[in-house]
Amino acid sequence: AQSVSQHNHHVILSEAASLELGCNYSYGGTVNLFWYVQYPGQHLQLLLKYFSGDPLVKGIKGFEAEFIKSKFSFNLRKPSVQWSDTAEYFCAVIFSGGYNKLIFGAGTRLAVHP
Amino acid sequence: EPEVTQTPSHQVTQMGQEVILRCVPISNHLYFYWYRQILGQKVEFLVSFYNNEISEKSEIFDDQFSVERPDGSNFTLKIRSTKLEDSAMYFCASSEQGRTEAFFGQGTRLTVV
Repeated sequence: AQSVSQHNHHVILSEAASLELGCNYSYGGTVNLFWYVQYPGQHLQLLLKYFSGDPLVKGIKGFEAEFIKSKFSFNLRKPSVQWSDTAEYFCAVIFSGGYNKLIFGAGTRLAVHP
Repeated sequence: EPEVTQTPSHQVTQMGQEVILRCVPISNHLYFYWYRQILGQKVEFLVSFYNNEISEKSEIFDDQFSVERPDGSNFTLKIRSTKLEDSAMYFCASSEQGRTEAFFGQGTRLTVV
C-alpha cells in the first residue's frame, strides 16, 4: 500500500539548533514530493516541492530537502531554527497511479524554545 | 495573494443531520479536493474533482458524501446523515494542474454530537 512515514512526532529544539525531519515513502515508482507546514491557527502552506532534477531543493524560510531515491526518503532540513518555526510539518507524496491525491505523513510537531 | 476560503470555520451538528461545507477555490485553478483530519490522526484524502466530475475518491467517501460545484466558484462537500465518526477538520484544496502542489483552506472543524 502507498504510505508515507514521518519518524518524529514531536521535536523540541532551542533556537539556532539544526533541524532534520525524516520522511520515507513506501513506493518505488515516480513520485512528486512535498513538505507542508501548518503554523498555529493557520492553513497548510507549501514549504517546498520536488518533481525532478536536482535532488536538493530549496524552499521558503531557509528550509531545504533532499530526495534520495535509493532510500525512498525526502528529509527536511534547516541549519538554524527560529522560534517562529514552531509549527507542524507534514510530508506528502503524489504517487504514480495516484492521480492527483496527496498521501500525507502523520506530521511532526516542532517546538522551538528561545 | 490568492487563497482558498472555507466556511464555516466551525460547525456543530446533531448526528443524522445533513451538513454542507463550503469552499471557494483559487479562481484559475482547475482541480479541487477535500481532505479531512480526525483529531490525532493523519490528513486523509477524500475526493478530487476536475472538469465538473469526481476524478478520484477514497474508501471514506461513501454514499453519504457528495461534492458539487454549483456556480463556477463554490465547491461544496455534503454529508447527508452525519455520524459521530465524521467529526474532524475538513480541508478544501485546489491546484492549477494535476500532480502539482495543492493550496489549502483553513479548514472547517465539524463536530457531530
